[in-house]
Amino acid sequence: SQQGEEDPQALSIQEGENATMNCSYKTSINNLQWYRQNSGRGLVHLILIRSNEREKHSGRLRVTLDTSKKSSSLLITASRAADTASYFCATDPNSGYALNFGKGTSLLVTP
Amino acid sequence: EPEVTQTPSHQVTQMGQEVILRCVPISNHLYFYWYRQILGQKVEFLVSFYNNEISEKSEIFDDQFSVERPDGSNFTLKIRSTKLEDSAMYFCASRVDGEQTQYFGPGTRLLVL
Repeated sequence: SQQGEEDPQALSIQEGENATMNCSYKTSINNLQWYRQNSGRGLVHLILIRSNEREKHSGRLRVTLDTSKKSSSLLITASRAADTASYFCATDPNSGYALNFGKGTSLLVTP
Repeated sequence: EPEVTQTPSHQVTQMGQEVILRCVPISNHLYFYWYRQILGQKVEFLVSFYNNEISEKSEIFDDQFSVERPDGSNFTLKIRSTKLEDSAMYFCASRVDGEQTQYFGPGTRLLVL
């Protein structure tokens, strides 16, 4: 089965800086979703980008999708300490069935 | 804003015991899912459920596991004869018909001793 794989595994930045996380996957998808997980907590949906979309924005988040390279990126602009969390990409190959999650990027934003 | 809820938040059980994890999906959602996350590992799909039957299941979801929608609001995951390796965070998710976004609950942390 295909899987999203994020890099870097860990990222440490200072408040105000931008954070970029990448995700690669192996087979065709219907959509790709990004989730955030605070330590030991649930998954919070951030944004969904469909396979026919190339870029999407939501507040300080910007997601890109390159289906030819089978990759996506998540950019968080003007990061805050509250953005400290793990970020996962999840690919959806079949439109609403099983999501395949990557291992995640652990983001640390220091004041 | 409507949320997926899960109970209990934590459960400790002895190996070999049966556990039932409960979820209340968002009320107008029709598709339900269970995932698990072993400590330090990625989130893994277990099963999806629609129209009172399993739509898809992973290799993890063997005869030890079962799901049920016993009434109009609850969605349960039963693990029979728990094993040490069943220790994980179990997440329920749901989505509305016509959209692909899955909304996750806060999880149940299961510890099998």
